[in-house]
Amino acid sequence: SAVISQKPSRDICQRGTSLTIQCQVDSQVTMMFWYRQQPGQSLTLIATANQGSEATYESGFVIDKFPISRPNLTFSTLTVSNMSPEDSSIYLCSVEESVGLRGFSGNTIYFGEGSWLTVV
Amino acid sequence: AQSVAQPEDQVNVAEGNPLTVKCTYSVSGNPYLFWYVQYPNRGLQFLLKYITGDNLVKGSYGFEAEFNKSQTSFHLKKPSALVSDSALYFCAVRRGGNKLTFGTGTQLKVEL
Repeated sequence: SAVISQKPSRDICQRGTSLTIQCQVDSQVTMMFWYRQQPGQSLTLIATANQGSEATYESGFVIDKFPISRPNLTFSTLTVSNMSPEDSSIYLCSVEESVGLRGFSGNTIYFGEGSWLTVV
Repeated sequence: AQSVAQPEDQVNVAEGNPLTVKCTYSVSGNPYLFWYVQYPNRGLQFLLKYITGDNLVKGSYGFEAEFNKSQTSFHLKKPSALVSDSALYFCAVRRGGNKLTFGTGTQLKVEL
């Protein structure tokens, strides 16, 4: 499986500021995703990061709040803008395995270690 | 729409005993089902998946899961639990598009 590195691993942020999370993969992957895990909750997909085009956002998430970049096949960033305490969460980068049919829903999705953000 | 239910918030089991973590799903068409584990202060680790074929799927760390189409279930099992298996376990389904839909998670606690 791909090795996924996220930075920062943890941060404490001031209300109203923005933070950019970086995700680096050790191999080229087509599909990259960003998930949020709020305290004590399950995971929710924020958006699919598409290389060379705009990210595709899930219902309830907007580009102004969570801008995403995907400049190449091994890197993506997620920015959490104008943060409030409700944004305190784990943000996880994930990638679809590169072995298998492109777009096949049976492909495994692997996760990074997450970025643990606390907004005060 | 696809969904996953994990009916138990927590499962307690004694070390050495068999464990089962339950998962049921709802999806149109044939499901692709996954189990992930999250250890404290860590990200998610992939355990196993079912795509097609044998209903009993074997995965990492001695875990296995049984796909039951008639009961729409995909329960995670292990014959002999270890204290180190204590973690949060997530069942997930993926079908159509690329969205992986997760259950609410089950906290497994294995005690001596």
